[in-house]
Amino acid sequence: DTGVSQDPRHKITKRGQNVTFRCDPISEHNRLYWYRQTLGQGPEFLTYFQNEAQLEKSRLLSDRFSAERPKGSFSTLEIQRTEQGDSAMYLCASSLGGGLDTDTQYFGPGTRLTVL
Amino acid sequence: DAKTTQPNSMESNEEEPVHLPCNHSTISGTDYIHWYRQLPSQGPEYVIHGLTSNVNNRMASLAIAEDRKSSTLILHRATLRDAAVYYCILRDLSGGGADGLTFGKGTHLIIQP
Repeated sequence: DTGVSQDPRHKITKRGQNVTFRCDPISEHNRLYWYRQTLGQGPEFLTYFQNEAQLEKSRLLSDRFSAERPKGSFSTLEIQRTEQGDSAMYLCASSLGGGLDTDTQYFGPGTRLTVL
Repeated sequence: DAKTTQPNSMESNEEEPVHLPCNHSTISGTDYIHWYRQLPSQGPEYVIHGLTSNVNNRMASLAIAEDRKSSTLILHRATLRDAAVYYCILRDLSGGGADGLTFGKGTHLIIQP
């Protein structure tokens, strides 16, 4: 297994355009997470899925952000009407789930978004 | 998740031990202490975690204070590849849910050759 993969690795877009990022988790990982990281800050949690169910989405930054995981495997994060403030690294992570002290998250390399 | 406090940066020499502190004075009894690190231009990676007892793995050791209000990540023999931002994170999974990790700014570890 090659770990969590994200596509694209870099995206440059103009303000007002829509963008979609894809995340492929580690096989058989039930949980999938999205984070955003701006320069000099730690990652900020956005949303997560348990299989295909989105169990937390209140942290999504605005209604322009949405995420899906239709078949419980890969996930997409969409940003509509992008703004310059959306420029950041978008990270995906997955975990197997399990006991109280597990749920180690494995992160992908991220998608760097630049909004012009 | 409860809040943690870490120094902004630390510097060490290659092949010497490194002790990275973390304060978490408001930790609850069900909070686990997790450490992740983020190498340049990469996503974070898991390092180690513990609840009450000290823990060792191939990457590092975790020393937890008796009152659990602080902990220390120990890299026994730092290499240049250990230069990264290290995050100390508290996680309460007692409710059965997962939820996301709450990252602070972490400690930027600089390793001098």
